[in-house]
Amino acid sequence: EVQLVESGGGLVQPGGSLRLSCAASGFTFSGYWMSWVRQAPGKGLERVANIRKDGSEKYYVDSVKGRFTISRDNAENSLFLQMNSLRAEDTAVYYCARLDWNAFDIWGQGTKVTVSS
Amino acid sequence: QTVVTQEPSFSVSPGGTVTLTCGLSSGSVSTSYYPSWYQQTPGQAPRTLIYTTDTRSYGVPDRFSGSILGKKAALTITGAQADDESDYYCALYMGSGTWVFGGGTKLTVL
Repeated sequence: EVQLVESGGGLVQPGGSLRLSCAASGFTFSGYWMSWVRQAPGKGLERVANIRKDGSEKYYVDSVKGRFTISRDNAENSLFLQMNSLRAEDTAVYYCARLDWNAFDIWGQGTKVTVSS
Repeated sequence: QTVVTQEPSFSVSPGGTVTLTCGLSSGSVSTSYYPSWYQQTPGQAPRTLIYTTDTRSYGVPDRFSGSILGKKAALTITGAQADDESDYYCALYMGSGTWVFGGGTKLTVL
């Protein structure tokens, strides 16, 4: 079964850091671009970052540039999002998603991040 | 900055047909934007319905169809059912590794 399972979310103070992980199974992880998509409470979806199959290209939404870093470990079938200098507006459910045919075709169940003092 | 536009809400009767659209604040949507559509119910992860304009994702019923209508991408639901009541999001590929989602359409079936 193709599956993505996120972990690492939680409550963090403004200015703090969190590292999200996404464990992939059921497909050849190294053969796909991957992405993080977030959804703030009561709001729509927002693509946060995506990474090429081999990790050589990374793209970010403007609001997280310089604060978030996407990475992957193809040997461990894992995707990561290092989030630094967190702000209240980063509060959201963060989804790991597989990219195929220029679309987000497989989604995880999400991990919740709350930035609050 | 380009904004992807969707109707905030829509209503359809059971068994009816509804077309949701996905446009651009400036310009027209074409197949070059690789429009995709996602369904989301409260508390759940999104589910992929359509990719590359009109290709149904695995397991998606054929009453869901995608197209380009005029200057917008469109998602048509034919024979709406109660469990189609969800939020629907489109996404457009803007190039340079960038995707933008629309604000979503809340579909009510009543």
